[in-house]
Formats: sequence, structure tokens, C-alpha cells
Amino acid sequence: DTGVSQDPRHKITKRGQNVTFRCDPISEHNRLYWYRQTLGQGPEFLTYFQNEAQLEKSRLLSDRFSAERPKGSFSTLEIQRTEQGDSAMYLCASSLSGSQDGYTFGSGTRLTVV
Amino acid sequence: SQQGEEDPQALSIQEGENATMNCSYKTSINNLQWYRQNSGRGLVHLILIRSNEREKHSGRLRVTLDTSKKSSSLLITASRAADTASYFCATDDPYNTDKLIFGTGTRLQVFP
Repeated sequence: DTGVSQDPRHKITKRGQNVTFRCDPISEHNRLYWYRQTLGQGPEFLTYFQNEAQLEKSRLLSDRFSAERPKGSFSTLEIQRTEQGDSAMYLCASSLSGSQDGYTFGSGTRLTVV
Repeated sequence: SQQGEEDPQALSIQEGENATMNCSYKTSINNLQWYRQNSGRGLVHLILIRSNEREKHSGRLRVTLDTSKKSSSLLITASRAADTASYFCATDDPYNTDKLIFGTGTRLQVFP
């Protein structure tokens, strides 16, 4: 197992376009988290899954954002009609039993909306 | 929203010196964790301390927790240039202990 993988590492898109990011967690981890991080700030929670169930969505996650985790394995995060304010690092993490263990993070996807 | 506030926001030291970072939080917690983030990369879990623990060590890292003051400190002894990174504390969300809330981070620069 090579840890948490995120794809792509970088994405530049024009305003108004849709983008989709993928996260492959550690295989035995049933919890998967998405965070967003802007320059100089700490990660902000977006949403998380336990297996295939999406258990919580932050108010930061507008209607333009949607996340899925089909079959409780990999997850995708889609942003529709991107805006410049969506430019950020999108981080995925997985965990065996929530915050009682440490999270394992991927390297992130850096999104730039031009 | 950010639960933790790290202090200082930035810290510059020479190799071999000790670095101390502090974290204050607002609500009761089950555990507090520290993470390191190298520039442009994901976060790496360093250490977890539970609410009933006061001090924990891992290699050159020493973490203390004072639940009465709602604060924690991370000490890195004999720092190295490779310790240059941002350091974040994180606590479990009081409304959903499945998830972590991260602080604002301390940017540590270690000069060789």
C-alpha cells in the first residue's frame, strides 16, 4: 500500500469550467475526508465518508461542489462552474477510526482558476 | 471554522536550537494531534496526545497538554534544516468526534 493518492497534482482551469479530483485512500481505511487549504491557512473541513455513506458536509461546500465514494473505495470531488475563489489546495485524508487515530493525507491537488 | 490557534505564526531559528510552538483551543477535546506540512505537500501526522495524558514523547518531539488551560505545546529539540515546515495542531470536533479541526499553523524556518 503506497498511502493516499490524489490525482491530478495540479489543475489549471478557466472560470466556469467543471473539474473533478480523485482520491484513493489506504485500502483498509473506511473513513475518507476532503479538506480545502488556502495559502497561509490551516486545512478546512469540507466533507467525509464512512465507507460509501457521506456523513457530513460543511457549509463551505456550496451546491457547486459534490463528492462521491462509490463502493466505499476511491472518492471524487467535483466542482461545477468554477470561480476564482475556488483556487486552493484540495486535500484528501483517510483514517481507520476517525479522529481517534491520526489521519493519513495525500499530497493534495492544487487548483488554480484563471 | 478553526478551533486551534497556533503561536507564534512564524518562527526562525538556527540548526541545533530548540523550537517551541503553542496551540490554544476552545472546547473540550478527546485528543489533540500535531501535523507537519512541507511546502506544497500534504500533512504528515506527528503525534497524538489524549485528553487524559499530560506529556508525550516521540524521538525529538515532546508534546504537552493542559486541558485546564485548553492549550498544548510542541517542542522540537536539536532542530535540523529538514524540520523547516508548517506545523498544525488539530482537535476532534466536539459535535462530531469523527473529524478533526485544524489550527492556523506555525511556519518554522531552521537555518543551517
